[in-house]
Amino acid sequence: AQSVSQHNHHVILSEAASLELGCNYSYGGTVNLFWYVQYPGQHLQLLLKYFSGDPLVKGIKGFEAEFIKSKFSFNLRKPSVQWSDTAEYFCAVGRGGSQGNLIFGKGTKLSVKP
Amino acid sequence: KAGVTQTPRYLIKTRGQQVTLSCSPISGHRSVSWYQQTPGQGLQFLFEYFSETQRNKGNFPGRFSGRQFSNSRSEMNVSTLELGDSALYLCASSLDRGNNEQFFGPGTRLTVL
Repeated sequence: AQSVSQHNHHVILSEAASLELGCNYSYGGTVNLFWYVQYPGQHLQLLLKYFSGDPLVKGIKGFEAEFIKSKFSFNLRKPSVQWSDTAEYFCAVGRGGSQGNLIFGKGTKLSVKP
Repeated sequence: KAGVTQTPRYLIKTRGQQVTLSCSPISGHRSVSWYQQTPGQGLQFLFEYFSETQRNKGNFPGRFSGRQFSNSRSEMNVSTLELGDSALYLCASSLDRGNNEQFFGPGTRLTVL
């Protein structure tokens, strides 16, 4: 069965530190890839997406992600985190076509210390 | 453009009861998907509706059902509630069937006592 793995359950960083959150998926066909963010008390928001083309995608709030097809990975990065980035981050994979649903990773909680 | 709206935002029910949750997608979006979010299992797909038909279903028992109306609004129903059904139920809308770019509502927090 298709699955999505996020390597870190909880990451704690100080402000200005660099961030990289890992995401791997287990589907060999064409995929659409997403990172969503859930700030405390708020709903899931789309951070960035990859459908095709340049494997390095830029999203909102200075986040970017790189799709490495050979590694089935879609890692999220940010050069310098802020306290306001404290949230839970979810990687999601969709197969498109007749499968409109997303398969989500378990999420990574990011705590940024001021 | 208004986002995805879900009602009610909070519900408390007791075991054995049934519950109906409602979702209004973004205007112009024709596909609605439902997910269950729990601390232990994370986000799990329930079902997807397009053109008033269920197009895709996750691995949940038959107590979980849904429907979609001609205006794309959707409802999900859970019958014979169990304690384990306590969760945040999220609705997501997308433009068309099979379009993975989904926009999520705030969710309905269901507590089963």
